[in-house]
Amino acid sequence: GQSLEQPSEVTAVEGAIVQINCTYQTSGFYGLSWYQQHDGGAPTFLSYNALDGLEETGRFSSFLSRSDSYGYLLLQELQMKDSASYFCAVRESAGGGNKLTFGTGTQLKVEL
Amino acid sequence: GAVVSQHPSRVICKSGTSVKIECRSLDFQATTMFWYRQFPKQSLMLMATSNEGSKATYEQGVEKDKFLINHASLTLSTLTVTSAHPEDSSFYICSAAGTLYGYTFGSGTRLTVV
Repeated sequence: GQSLEQPSEVTAVEGAIVQINCTYQTSGFYGLSWYQQHDGGAPTFLSYNALDGLEETGRFSSFLSRSDSYGYLLLQELQMKDSASYFCAVRESAGGGNKLTFGTGTQLKVEL
Repeated sequence: GAVVSQHPSRVICKSGTSVKIECRSLDFQATTMFWYRQFPKQSLMLMATSNEGSKATYEQGVEKDKFLINHASLTLSTLTVTSAHPEDSSFYICSAAGTLYGYTFGSGTRLTVV
């Protein structure tokens, strides 16, 4: 079956850089996405990697290595509002279509 | 951009009753709708995948007779929790897949069964 592992919790100070790792085991892999979720809210899309390498979107960057079944989300210039849960999610083939399976999630706490 | 409207946002129901949750894609056609459940401090767990006009595909361990999914049109999918019990209390989120917009999430429904 599929599995996606992330660190459960990360703490960093405002202005710092933090990296959240994701390792996955799945079949029919299409790509790796990252989502942010604040308490009580819906997930918000951050980035998507289908190919190896780094994708940069403002303060957020995401990296994928398909051969290592590994990816990470890099958050720069951390702000208090970045305190949230972050999930990696694999887009994988399923029953003729595809589906999105979420990782275990990482709780990021940004401190002053 | 793509928007999925989900309602109700919150619902409290008595044990043994049924609750229906709706998700509508407002400006695109959702060929596939995914239903997730999320318990506090946990990840989103995929419950089922529905394609318009066909039966839903349920993930292992999810009771299809308890969680009824209907995807009668390209813009509407519903999840009905039948004979709800306190252990069904959770956050339910839909996600629509359209070929142009990728995955778009609804705002979620907080279900409390008392």
